[in-house]
Formats: sequence, structure tokens, C-alpha cells
Amino acid sequence: GENVEQHPSTLSVQEGDSAVIKCTYSDSASNYFPWYKQELGKGPQLIIDIRSNVGEKKDQRIAVTLNKTAKHFSLHITETQPEDSAVYFCAASVGAAGNKLTFGGGTRVLVKP
Amino acid sequence: EAQVTQNPRYLITVTGKKLTVTCSQNMNHEYMSWYRQDPGLGLRQIYYSMNVEVTDKGDVPEGYKVSRKEKRNFPLILESPSPNQTSLYFCASSLAGGGNTEAFFGQGTRLTVV
Repeated sequence: GENVEQHPSTLSVQEGDSAVIKCTYSDSASNYFPWYKQELGKGPQLIIDIRSNVGEKKDQRIAVTLNKTAKHFSLHITETQPEDSAVYFCAASVGAAGNKLTFGGGTRVLVKP
Repeated sequence: EAQVTQNPRYLITVTGKKLTVTCSQNMNHEYMSWYRQDPGLGLRQIYYSMNVEVTDKGDVPEGYKVSRKEKRNFPLILESPSPNQTSLYFCASSLAGGGNTEAFFGQGTRLTVV
């Protein structure tokens, strides 16, 4: 089955700097790659996703890149703000109805003011 | 407001005492699933359901049961809880298959088994 590895497990950045989280996956059939943000005491919430027919997607200060050949994808957060402090999860899926998401281990991001 | 509601939010129980964690969604989603979250392991799927009366095992189903008698409800049952089931549990729902569209998560249930 699919295996997703996520690095780093913790990331501390200064406010205004950029943060990058990287994930690798094992199943070459995976074609849907969402990122979830989990704030303290809450459930994960989708922040951005990418499908395998595109290499990059942006939404304001966040962007995701995908390299299908190398089987890795990354989340980039620019101009970090204190409200970006959270746990971030990457996930991968074959993307068909009924196929589950496989999550990475999570990255705890701390943005220092 | 579209949401997934889990109850209870916190639960402390003793080994062997049956418990049920309820999950309800108001978005008419077909797909629902349960995850457990443990440090460093991310979210691991316990069970999922593609529709009413259709359930199947996820990656870590041992010690858990589920049922899907109504579209909106998907309770998680621990018949005989053990300390290794101490964890943070999340219910999630999505419009179509679990791996194809946005999953909406509940607030979580922190379970401690002593």
C-alpha cells in the first residue's frame, strides 16, 4: 500500500520568513495530494491540494509543488505569520472514488514573532 | 453550518468497558471514515464507509467496530478498550470517495484508557 513520509517533524521560523515542508510517497499510481492544517484543539482542515496533471499550484501565501518522477511534493508558505503556527499534514491518494487518503506523520510549525 | 460533530470531546475509561464515540455530518456526504492520530504517525484510517450499510476496514481496524445505519451517522465502537487505544480520534466525511475530494473533519475525541 501507499506510504507517505513527511519532513521535518518540527519547524521553527521567524515571522516573515518562508517555511517548506517536504513529503515523499511510494505508490506511483497516486495522483491526488492534499495538505491539511490542524490548529490546536481542532480537526485538520484542507488548505490546498494538487493533482498530478499540474506541477505547481498557488493560493496567496501558500504553494504546493509536485514532482511525479521523483515522487515527492512540497508545501511552501511565504511571509509566515503567527497564525500559520499549526500542525501540517500531507497526504496522497490514487484519487478514485473509494480510495483512501494516506497521511504523512505531520510537521509542527512554530512561527516566532 | 456545514459540519462534522463528534461526541464526546474527551473521554477517560477503564480497560474493558465498552464505549461508543458518535459522529454525525449534515452535508449529505456519502463517504465517512474514522482516523486515529498518534504522535509521529499522522492520521491512520481505522474504518470507512462508502454509503449506508457499506463499511470496510482501514489500516488499523483491530479492536474497533463501526456501523452505518443512516447516511449522516457513523459511530465508532470499542467493545473492550485497551490502553493501546489511548489516542486522539477523528471522524471525517467527504462528498465522494475518500481520496478524491476534500475531507471534512470533526473536532476530535481524546480517549484515555486506563
